[in-house]
Amino acid sequence: GENVEQHPSTLSVQEGDSAVIKCTYSDSASNYFPWYKQELGKRPQLIIDIRSNVGEKKDQRIAVTLNKTAKHFSLHITETQPEDSAVYFCAALTYSGGSNYKLTFGKGTLLTVNP
Amino acid sequence: GAVVSQHPSRVICKSGTSVKIECRSLDFQATTMFWYRQFPKKSLMLMATSNEGSKATYEQGVEKDKFLINHASLTLSTLTVTSAHPEDSSFYICSAWTRGSNQPQHFGDGTRLSIL
Repeated sequence: GENVEQHPSTLSVQEGDSAVIKCTYSDSASNYFPWYKQELGKRPQLIIDIRSNVGEKKDQRIAVTLNKTAKHFSLHITETQPEDSAVYFCAALTYSGGSNYKLTFGKGTLLTVNP
Repeated sequence: GAVVSQHPSRVICKSGTSVKIECRSLDFQATTMFWYRQFPKKSLMLMATSNEGSKATYEQGVEKDKFLINHASLTLSTLTVTSAHPEDSSFYICSAWTRGSNQPQHFGDGTRLSIL
């Protein structure tokens, strides 16, 4: 099955700096890669996603890049703000036939943005 | 749109109690619902996938007799933790998917289960 590795596990940056979180996946059949932000005790919230036919996607201060050949994708947050502090999860989606699919999550990165 | 309601948000009960958690899709019909378990400072671990009207598919290592899942309608799935013990204490999150959605899953708010 799919295996998603995420690094680093913790990341501390100064407000205004950039933050980069990297993930690798093992199943070349995975074709959709979402990123979630989760605050303590809350639901994961989709912040950006990318499909396997795209190399890069940007939404204001957030961008995601995908290298299919190397099977890795990264989240880039620029001009970080204290409210960006949270746990970020990457995930990879794999179809298992028909309408059945599965999201495999990375272990998460605790991002702390210091004022 | 695409709101998923999960209830209750917090449960504290004695060891040996069975606990039922409900997951409802409020404004769409959920073809598939997923149940996750999340330990403190850990990732979301998929427990099972349920399609309306059929038996749930459990992930390896998840006891189907311990975690009973029912998906009787397109808007409701329930997870029952039977004879819960302290090691079952965790954050349980459901999510729902509908065909044509621009997101793979819409998550509920989660249920914090604490077994004394």
